[in-house]
Amino acid sequence: DVKVTQSSRYLVKRTGEKVFLECVQDMDHENMFWYRQDPGLGLRLIYFSYDVKMKEKGDIPEGYSVSREKKERFSLILESASTNQTSMYLCASSPLQDGVQYFGPGTRLTVT
Amino acid sequence: QKEVEQNSGPLSVPEGAIASLNCTYSDRGSQSFFWYRQYSGKSPELIMFIYSNGDKEDGRFTAQLNKASQYVSLLIRDSQPSDSATYLCAVRAAGNKLTFGGGTRVLVKP
Repeated sequence: DVKVTQSSRYLVKRTGEKVFLECVQDMDHENMFWYRQDPGLGLRLIYFSYDVKMKEKGDIPEGYSVSREKKERFSLILESASTNQTSMYLCASSPLQDGVQYFGPGTRLTVT
Repeated sequence: QKEVEQNSGPLSVPEGAIASLNCTYSDRGSQSFFWYRQYSGKSPELIMFIYSNGDKEDGRFTAQLNKASQYVSLLIRDSQPSDSATYLCAVRAAGNKLTFGGGTRVLVKP
């Protein structure tokens, strides 16, 4: 079974803090994705990566950056957290030739 | 105009009945279509995917794809209270990105 893990299920941070969300997958997938999910807005793609050290902006990259130093790990960074970044953050991975995305359990981030 | 559209629901279904969920998409070049189930507070989990026109069955679930009309549907037979969840339709065009619909909330009443 594909396993995608995320570093925290719940996280509370203060405005202005730098926040790191970590995602690890154990299936040697080339593609990894970060989404946020908000009521009424659905799943929105923040960034994705199709290879180590490669990244592409999704639909809402502002205020975020990413890092992929190893194939299995994809990190989402909030440089200076703001209250409007309070959300559920979901990581996913997929094989190169297959569109199926497998999701991690999610991190519910609250910025106060 | 949203690229992938779903009725937000809730779709209320008696236990044992068939739940029918619809999804329309705008990109005619779309190649692959996915249905995910998401329980409240949890992450999406894949139910099934379909690439070709027609029907694809997996247990109590059937996906139906009509590329000419640009819709994909999901039927849940013999609906159970445990099927109560939000169902997300996702579409893959070129590349590796998926575009998700807003989801349809399904309530199965005992």
